[in-house]
Amino acid sequence: AQKITQTQPGMFVQEKEAVTLDCTYDTSDQSYGLFWYKQPSSGEMIFLIYQGSYDEQNATEGRYSLNFQKARKSANLVISASQLGDSAMYFCAMREGWNYGGSQGNLIFGKGTKLSVKP
Amino acid sequence: DSGVTQTPKHLITATGQRVTLRCSPRSGDLSVYWYQQSLDQGLQFLIQYYNGEERAKGNILERFSAQQFPDLHSELNLSSLELGDSALYFCASSVDAQGLNYGYTFGSGTRLTVV
Repeated sequence: AQKITQTQPGMFVQEKEAVTLDCTYDTSDQSYGLFWYKQPSSGEMIFLIYQGSYDEQNATEGRYSLNFQKARKSANLVISASQLGDSAMYFCAMREGWNYGGSQGNLIFGKGTKLSVKP
Repeated sequence: DSGVTQTPKHLITATGQRVTLRCSPRSGDLSVYWYQQSLDQGLQFLIQYYNGEERAKGNILERFSAQQFPDLHSELNLSSLELGDSALYFCASSVDAQGLNYGYTFGSGTRLTVV
C-alpha cells in the first residue's frame, strides 16, 4: 500500500533562515506525483509545489523547492528565507493509483509537520 | 477564493442526526474528491467522483454517502452522526479523473461539530 511518512511533528525556525521539512514515501508505482500543501491556522489547504516521478530536475516555486531523491524515496520541502507567515501545518501528499489510463487520482497525505517561525 | 465553494462553513449538530455538505467545483473541473481531516486520523480520502460517476472509494463509512449531480456539484451525506465524526471536511476538484497537470484545488472546508 502507498504511504507517506513525515517524521517531524513540529519544527522551529528563525525568521529569514532556511528550513527543510522531511517526507518519505512508499509506492510500487513507476509513475507518481508528489505534492506539498500548506495549511495555516485558518484551515484552508494551499498548494505549494509538485514533483512528478519522471521529472529530472527538482521542482522550485519561489521560496519553495523540493529536494527529490528518487532512489531514497524522499521528497523534502525546502523553504528559504522563512517568514512569519510561513508558520503553519505542512502536508506531503502523493497521488495514488496514477498511471496513464488509470481510473483514480486521489491524494494520500502524511500526518503533517507544524512549522513555527520565530521572529 | 480558490474557485471551489463549500457550504456551510460551520455546522453543529447532535448525535444521531443527518447532515449534507455541499461542494461546487472550480469551473471546468469534472472531478470532485472528498476528504476528512480529524485530529486522530489526519487527512483521509473518502470518495472521488468524475463527471457524475464514482471513481474511487477510500475510508468512507457506510453511514456516509455522496453523489455528483449533472451540474457537477457534489453532496456528501453523513447520517447517524457520532461524536467521532466531528472533523473538517474538504472538497477538492480537478480537471480530469487523475489530477494530472497537478490541478487539485481545495475548498475552504466545512467544520462539522457533533455534540
